[in-house]
Amino acid sequence: SQQGEEDPQALSIQEGENATMNCSYKTSINNLQWYRQNSGRGLVHLILIRSNEREKHSGRLRVTLDTSKKSSSLLITASRAADTASYFCATLDTGRRALTFGSGTRLQVQP
Amino acid sequence: EADIYQTPRYLVIGTGKKITLECSQTMGHDKMYWYQQDPGMELHLIHYSYGVNSTEKGDLSSESTVSRIRTEHFPLTLESARPSHTSQYLCASSEWDSSTYEQYFGPGTRLTVT
Repeated sequence: SQQGEEDPQALSIQEGENATMNCSYKTSINNLQWYRQNSGRGLVHLILIRSNEREKHSGRLRVTLDTSKKSSSLLITASRAADTASYFCATLDTGRRALTFGSGTRLQVQP
Repeated sequence: EADIYQTPRYLVIGTGKKITLECSQTMGHDKMYWYQQDPGMELHLIHYSYGVNSTEKGDLSSESTVSRIRTEHFPLTLESARPSHTSQYLCASSEWDSSTYEQYFGPGTRLTVT
């Protein structure tokens, strides 16, 4: 089963609103990463938060991490139609040095 | 944009045909991966490689095979395609000694087997 599970599965908002996506994971982590996937394309790395960090910002993105609850959230502020995409969290399997991806949140931003 | 390429981007092929999906990267990364993803669904790791002459099976059982003869090249082969192989295949790479293991993805190959 997947290490990360995203919530909600799908989200539709109006341009200018904030979008919040949540990710829960099962085992202890070294870091947690968020990726974005435009329809029919590969994934693009957005932001990484290490296990000893609680919050991180990058432009309009804000990521939080609560290791006690094994959860993370991604906030996109002042959303734009171009933010329409699927967003995935990923955690590192240190044994295989490979990422395990969650099920994704499909974000639709209406212009 | 990451320097990782996949060809073809789209492939429609009949049952029983042999196909090879190409993946190449120019970043000198040792680690490479293949994921299978149905539309709107999660990614499943099917193969990965630590470097030249290294190949490992991932989480999802797959009838495909891979090879890693050169660092930059990681092709995936299906000896006999079936409709159940219809999916999107994503190739990715990362540095071996990265502390983050950030992965760089190709654009994907969308395979349809009729």
